[in-house]
Amino acid sequence: GAGVSQSPSNKVTEKGKDVELRCDPISGHTALYWYRQSLGQGLEFLIYFQGNSAPDKSGLPSDRFSAERTGGSVSTLTIQRTQQEDSAVYLCASSLVQGASQPQHFGDGTRLSIL
Amino acid sequence: DAKTTQPNSMESNEEEPVHLPCNHSTISGTDYIHWYRQLPSQGPEYVIHGLTSNVNNRMASLAIAEDRKSSTLILHRATLRDAAVYYCILRDNNAGNMLTFGGGTRLMVKP
Repeated sequence: GAGVSQSPSNKVTEKGKDVELRCDPISGHTALYWYRQSLGQGLEFLIYFQGNSAPDKSGLPSDRFSAERTGGSVSTLTIQRTQQEDSAVYLCASSLVQGASQPQHFGDGTRLSIL
Repeated sequence: DAKTTQPNSMESNEEEPVHLPCNHSTISGTDYIHWYRQLPSQGPEYVIHGLTSNVNNRMASLAIAEDRKSSTLILHRATLRDAAVYYCILRDNNAGNMLTFGGGTRLMVKP
């Protein structure tokens, strides 16, 4: 079956531009997560959705970052006025429901490069 | 999430079994043991998880010590495609919904 799909797979943009990253979770998965991973580093949690609401936005690094999820499915992560330190791989994951016993299934990420 | 300790790297020969250890001496009764792996240039991939009993799936087996202070991920026949970084993590419903990866074990598979 279809896994988590992210687009674009690569994005190169100039500093100061806005970018929008898209995540299509596995069909029927109610929980959706955004992470980012810098080169050679571990996962950095950004935000979590249960349905369309985001009960945990604690990981968003600044107010330039925002995310939304509509229809309980597709999610977009928007970064405004990009900075070079935003360069990373942005990963999306989904799980059937939220909880410690639930596996998270990841997409292959969007590699974002800020020039 | 409680801390886990894994060896930095391990080597295996192709088509041989691999046992990847993980120590988690401060595990609580409600912590689930999860294993993920990450191949180069790919997102993390869920492998297996368990609470108290040993678990088997199509990818691997998870052996959990009786006192739950350690566990072992078993790949029954390593292939070159299994070369990846393997992460052992503990997850508790009280500790939030995010995954937190430590350093993991880099598994190298020799043909």
